[in-house]
Amino acid sequence: DAKTTQPNSMESNEEEPVHLPCNHSTISGTDYIHWYRQLPSQGPEYVIHGLTSNVNNRMASLAIAEDRKSSTLILHRATLRDAAVYYCIPRGSNTGKLIFGQGTTLQVKP
Amino acid sequence: DTGVSQDPRHKITKRGQNVTFRCDPISEHNRLYWYRQTLGQGPEFLTYFQNEAQLEKSRLLSDRFSAERPKGSFSTLEIQRTEQGDSAMYLCASSRMWRSYNEQFFGPGTRLTVL
Repeated sequence: DAKTTQPNSMESNEEEPVHLPCNHSTISGTDYIHWYRQLPSQGPEYVIHGLTSNVNNRMASLAIAEDRKSSTLILHRATLRDAAVYYCIPRGSNTGKLIFGQGTTLQVKP
Repeated sequence: DTGVSQDPRHKITKRGQNVTFRCDPISEHNRLYWYRQTLGQGPEFLTYFQNEAQLEKSRLLSDRFSAERPKGSFSTLEIQRTEQGDSAMYLCASSRMWRSYNEQFFGPGTRLTVL
């Protein structure tokens, strides 16, 4: 399983963009990069995933480095509801399980 | 609400007692996962099912833990002879298919406290 490194915590102001980095230098060529987040007192929820190309959805954007050893989750305009723990998870093609690390705790200030 | 439900939401038990948790996945999802999360840590994988077959169990899952998914629908996780170290949030998730890009939908969890 690929190891990930994420900052323990980050802060943002409401309505400003947030860039959450993740290093996954041991990722294999077939691993997808998934991002989940966990709001307080809730189960994790899917945010976005990608393989090689940058990806956008209604929640966020995912920028993947060309060598795939790092990625960045981008929240374009942070809201108070985005305060959560964000997990970056390389996920192998032959396994269904998610291997969570410590994640990044994002605080959003009004 | 993701569509995955878990029951009970909270369970307090005394050390040595047996407990059972239930998870109802989204109906058309054939994969079901169990995770455990302790305070301040990310969830840890315990086991998963594809339909009724249990395909993988973590080494974290001691002999006191057993999971079933009869008929490939709901699942139960039983802990026998509970210990204080079993206190945690037990999370269930389901997904439609097995491919590595399919998202998992998590339930709200069952919080277990062992006194």
